[in-house]
Amino acid sequence: NAGVTQTPKFQVLKTGQSMTLQCAQDMNHEYMSWYRQDPGMGLRLIHYSVGAGITDQGEVPNGYNVSRSTTEDFPLRLLSAAPSQTSVYFCASSYSLTGNEQFFGPGTRLTVL
Amino acid sequence: AQSVTQPDIHITVSEGASLELRCNYSYGATPYLFWYVQSPGQGLQLLLKYFSGDTLVQGIKGFEAEFKRSQSSFNLRKPSVHWSDAAEYFCAVGANNNNDMRFGAGTRLTVKP
Repeated sequence: NAGVTQTPKFQVLKTGQSMTLQCAQDMNHEYMSWYRQDPGMGLRLIHYSVGAGITDQGEVPNGYNVSRSTTEDFPLRLLSAAPSQTSVYFCASSYSLTGNEQFFGPGTRLTVL
Repeated sequence: AQSVTQPDIHITVSEGASLELRCNYSYGATPYLFWYVQSPGQGLQLLLKYFSGDTLVQGIKGFEAEFKRSQSSFNLRKPSVHWSDAAEYFCAVGANNNNDMRFGAGTRLTVKP
């Protein structure tokens, strides 16, 4: 199993550009999530999904969109990048919504100039 | 809403010495508690978790943690630190749902030879 994979590893954007961060898992997990990690703030939940076709907002959803057309994939879209979105982004998956271990991808380091 | 405090931003210990990383949480009911480790450039890996039962929890890589309800703490310990333990450690608290999980800001561990 590859586990949770994320692409790209690094990305530099200019303010106003859009892009999609890719996330895929091969563990048949129903629950997937996106976090951002900022220095001194730990991880904060952006969006999550409890299954194909079902998504919801987390703690910091503004400026991001998600969709879940398949169980395996959960892309995160930045609609119009801003410097405040400079961060490290982690995708995670879990067997279910309730109290199970989350498996994390290696992260995408995004810089917005 | 739940919250997590990791009072120590950075800790340095000598190889072979014992380690204790502190975690305090705020939550109204019995929490789900987790410790994750993040090696440089990697995603987060679960070290151990507490849901219920025995308050002393054993994890991977020789780590353990003790849940103390009276002190709202879930400190991570290791009797003898190895150079490979150098990493960032995150405590997290959740309700029954993964989307309610809150992460601490992290403690960076440096191991001196």
